[in-house]
Amino acid sequence: QQQVKQSPQSLIVQKGGISIINCAYENTAFDYFPWYQQFPGKGPALLIAIRPDVSEKKEGRFTISFNKSAKQFSLHIMDSQPGDSATYFCAASAMDSNYQLIWGAGTKLIIKP
Amino acid sequence: NAGVMQNPRHLVRRRGQEARLRCSPMKGHSHVYWYRQLPEEGLKFMVYLQKENIIDESGMPKERFSAEFPKEGPSILRIQQVVRGDSAAYFCASYRDRGTEAFFGQGTRLTVV
Repeated sequence: QQQVKQSPQSLIVQKGGISIINCAYENTAFDYFPWYQQFPGKGPALLIAIRPDVSEKKEGRFTISFNKSAKQFSLHIMDSQPGDSATYFCAASAMDSNYQLIWGAGTKLIIKP
Repeated sequence: NAGVMQNPRHLVRRRGQEARLRCSPMKGHSHVYWYRQLPEEGLKFMVYLQKENIIDESGMPKERFSAEFPKEGPSILRIQQVVRGDSAAYFCASYRDRGTEAFFGQGTRLTVV
């Protein structure tokens, strides 16, 4: 019940296209859903996050869509650029678990020029 | 991310030796989480500490692993009698308050030979 399932494992998108990564969860106590970007040899960096009281959040080219009833959320990267090539992780946390982040397995995104 | 300092960045230990990983949180942050990341996987929670207190160590193996966050100085993750399976990247994250944004360090990559 603590798992967060992420797909796809890897994704290749042409420059200028839309990259879409999906995550699903089971624990209805989760109340914070961040997306992290990680480059090789670096720590994860917060990209964008959402709480379940909204269905969508947009920051620049990055959008989170959240479907509470389906227990799913997704990251959309518009106008994908080669510099977006990285590994993306979804995560979730809950107050009753001391806000420890439960992570998806990651999606390796490659943007082809 | 540069605000959370982890050292060393890379650590090589022989089987049976001790590994000490250090994490200095961002200024003003009193909450530290340690996570472990195996290659091609998401991060796994290990332990959550506040100054001088272990709040949640449910993700940390009971044997050989310990963590502390003293009143002064960095948080330390200590692994005694390391084995090859301990080889991983270890990340710490600091928070200003519970439930706020997590800031990650660059990680310590431990290799046990």
